[in-house]
Amino acid sequence: EAQVTQNPRYLITVTGKKLTVTCSQNMNHEYMSWYRQDPGLGLRQIYYSMNVEVTDKGDVPEGYKVSRKEKRNFPLILESPSPNQTSLYFCASSSGTTNNEQFFGPGTRLTVL
Amino acid sequence: EDQVTQSPEALRLQEGESSSLNCSYTVSGLRGLFWYRQDPGKGPEFLFTLYSAGEEKEKERLKATLTKKESFLHITAPKPEDSATYLCAVQVFGNEKLTFGTGTRLTIIP
Repeated sequence: EAQVTQNPRYLITVTGKKLTVTCSQNMNHEYMSWYRQDPGLGLRQIYYSMNVEVTDKGDVPEGYKVSRKEKRNFPLILESPSPNQTSLYFCASSSGTTNNEQFFGPGTRLTVL
Repeated sequence: EDQVTQSPEALRLQEGESSSLNCSYTVSGLRGLFWYRQDPGKGPEFLFTLYSAGEEKEKERLKATLTKKESFLHITAPKPEDSATYLCAVQVFGNEKLTFGTGTRLTIIP
């Protein structure tokens, strides 16, 4: 089954404790991206990657890092999480190197205390 | 700065009562406008891509249209299973970024 998977689905952590949210897709897609979704603000793009070793900033990259060492994986790293990073995070992928039809993962709900 | 505004924020309809959702945008050089559906607790699900003014796409009870300033998502004779939040997003030439609106929460009452 074609899908985007994210882990963990739920995470509660404390300020400053480094964490990684994994994202993996099995559709051989070149394009992958991370979004955060907050009430009243909608979906905002954090980072995107057009292919292996190619990443670029979206609208809200501060406080986040990403890497794309393999085509299928695109982890989101929070080196020193803060409470304002409490949010619902989505990973997405699409074929080609543009934002065509994107397939979204199920989401990761992160709470930073 | 690219802007996407969706209206209304929320819409309640009786089953079978047709209506339209609006997505207005202010961008320089539209490459594509996208519609997604999002159910509670789930990731968005792709519906349509529109590329140029005058273009229309249909899927079951949904029809999306595009002008130079806005897009409409028309819902004909909706059913309760059409209840969801509908999101639109835009992409401009020369930029791989997607800018989303805040969505319209649609509720269809049986």
